[in-house]
Amino acid sequence: QQQVKQSPQSLIVQKGGISIINCAYENTAFDYFPWYQQFPGKGPALLIAIRPDVSEKKEGRFTISFNKSAKQFSLHIMDSQPGDSATYFCAASRRAGGGADGLTFGKGTHLIIQP
Amino acid sequence: GAGVSQSPRYKVAKRGQDVALRCDPISGHVSLFWYQQALGQGPEFLTYFQNEAQLDKSGLPSDRFFAERPEGSVSTLKIQRTQQEDSAVYLCASSASRGSDGYTFGSGTRLTVV
Repeated sequence: QQQVKQSPQSLIVQKGGISIINCAYENTAFDYFPWYQQFPGKGPALLIAIRPDVSEKKEGRFTISFNKSAKQFSLHIMDSQPGDSATYFCAASRRAGGGADGLTFGKGTHLIIQP
Repeated sequence: GAGVSQSPRYKVAKRGQDVALRCDPISGHVSLFWYQQALGQGPEFLTYFQNEAQLDKSGLPSDRFFAERPEGSVSTLKIQRTQQEDSAVYLCASSASRGSDGYTFGSGTRLTVV
């Protein structure tokens, strides 16, 4: 059972354009939704994260939009640059209670920004 | 250290061989996670430590997989009698908090079982 579904699998965007990656989750207990960026040969690096009490969070060129009723969230990369070319993963976890559930990741989106 | 360090970076094992993968978390980090990342897939949770206590091992795929963190710092993931399906990148992550948010991944160990 895939609890976090990510699309598209791959994406090509022109330099300066907006890259949009979407995720949907099933487990309503999830309350933490991060996005990770991964370059070849490296571990994932946290980009930005959101909790379900807000509908949008912006950090620089990166914005997460969150729709709790639809159980969907998305990453928007504004003014996309060739250096943004990487694999992006959405993830979700349950943080409540002070313990730690592991993150459940989507399958990833391979993003290519064309110069 | 400045980041999470994993060793070795690459490991080739013959089927049936035992392997041990090491993770040095960021100094003072309470939480430590192991993930398995198959080629072209997202990481999948294996196990979680809070200090030296293994609080969750629900993601370990079989009893051939064993993890420890005896002094609450360095952790070792051991795989006994390796199989071809064990070939993957094994990622370690650590966090200063007792939660799964905001943690730092290492670059991983790429295990190839031949």
